[in-house]
This record gives sequence, structure tokens and C-alpha cells, in this order.
Amino acid sequence: SQQGEEDPQALSIQEGENATMNCSYKTSINNLQWYRQNSGRGLVHLILIRSNEREKHSGRLRVTLDTSKKSSSLLITASRAADTASYFCATDADSNYQLIWGAGTKLIIKP
Amino acid sequence: AAGVIQSPRHLIKEKRETATLKCYPIPRHDTVYWYQQGPGQDPQFLISFYEKMQSDKGSIPDRFSAQQFSDYHSELNMSSLELGDSALYFCASSLGRSSPLHFGNGTRLTVT
Repeated sequence: SQQGEEDPQALSIQEGENATMNCSYKTSINNLQWYRQNSGRGLVHLILIRSNEREKHSGRLRVTLDTSKKSSSLLITASRAADTASYFCATDADSNYQLIWGAGTKLIIKP
Repeated sequence: AAGVIQSPRHLIKEKRETATLKCYPIPRHDTVYWYQQGPGQDPQFLISFYEKMQSDKGSIPDRFSAQQFSDYHSELNMSSLELGDSALYFCASSLGRSSPLHFGNGTRLTVT
């Protein structure tokens, strides 16, 4: 069963605006990962944040992690049309090799 | 850089037929995962292998089986196909657990 929940389910913004997606999870984790998926394609790893980290940056991406609230957010700044995709969070718990996936946020960037 | 290679890219089968999907992980990656993704759904974990041994099992039907060979490539065998098996099947590999997954572009299976 999947433990991650993401919101919003869908997000439509104008090009140049910032996009924020949230992820909540239920159990303690080793790390939390964000992936992007273009329609019909494989998922692409974006960023990994460890349980002892609170914030991480990669280019236009900023990820925060609040382990006390069991939540994470992904911020994409200065969005571009090419950012249109589905974004998934996935948590790595301690017990097995199975990542637990959120339901994903579908992001649409309007030109 | 080498990526995860999956074949075939598309596959059309009839009900009750069998299908075999192949995955070639990134060289030196020690863990292979198989996922199933229905339209608009998140990836559903099926099974994983670590150093050619099954390491974890998810929601893989009994009609499906998988193995990883000595050259580290993996195959997902699907028998008695049902209409509901129509989906994208992804293979991913990683170097060690708790490491990012690298996904192939998937095999789109259509069962008619």
C-alpha cells in the first residue's frame, strides 16, 4: 500500500510563477525523494533529502523536509513550460527495499 | 551515460497469453526494481532484486514471476494475461539501497 499523499493533485500556473507541491507520509524514513515524470515516460530522479536534512537546493528546485510533521515540499521557481509533468514523492523507510510513493501532482505550466 | 534499457517498448497481447519484459540495468547497479503504472496512477511496486537475489516483493500477482540473471539483466514473465494487466511496466536500478532510482522508459503492455 502507498503511504505518501501529495497535494495538490493538479496545479496549473503561468510560466514564470513558482510552483509548490506538498507530500506527507506516515512512518519514519531514511530519506525522501522527488521524481518527475513526463507523460508516458520513465520517472526521473530530481532530488533526495535525508532525514537529518531540513532543506536542499538543486538549480530551480528547493525541497524542505519536516520530520516532525512528516511532510515535505517541492518548490520550483521561475517555472517553464518544460516543467509540465507529474511530480512524485517517494519515501525510503528502514524496513525494506521498497520505496513508498505518493499519488503525484500533475503540474501544468501555461505559456 | 548509460541508462536503464527496457524492451520491448510496446507489446500487444491477447487475454490468456504470456509476455516477457526485459530490463538491462545501469552497469554496476546492484538493485533492480519492477513497477507497474496504470493510467493516471502512481507506480505500484512489484518486485526487486539485490545482487540477483529477490529482495522484496510488492503487489505482484501470482501469475507474474521475475528473475535476475548472472549478467544482471532482469526479466518479468507474465502469464494468463488479463485485460487489467494493461499498463506501463517500468524497470529501475540503483546502486545500493537508499539511493536514487534510475528508471527505464518502460514497456507499454496492451492486453486485448
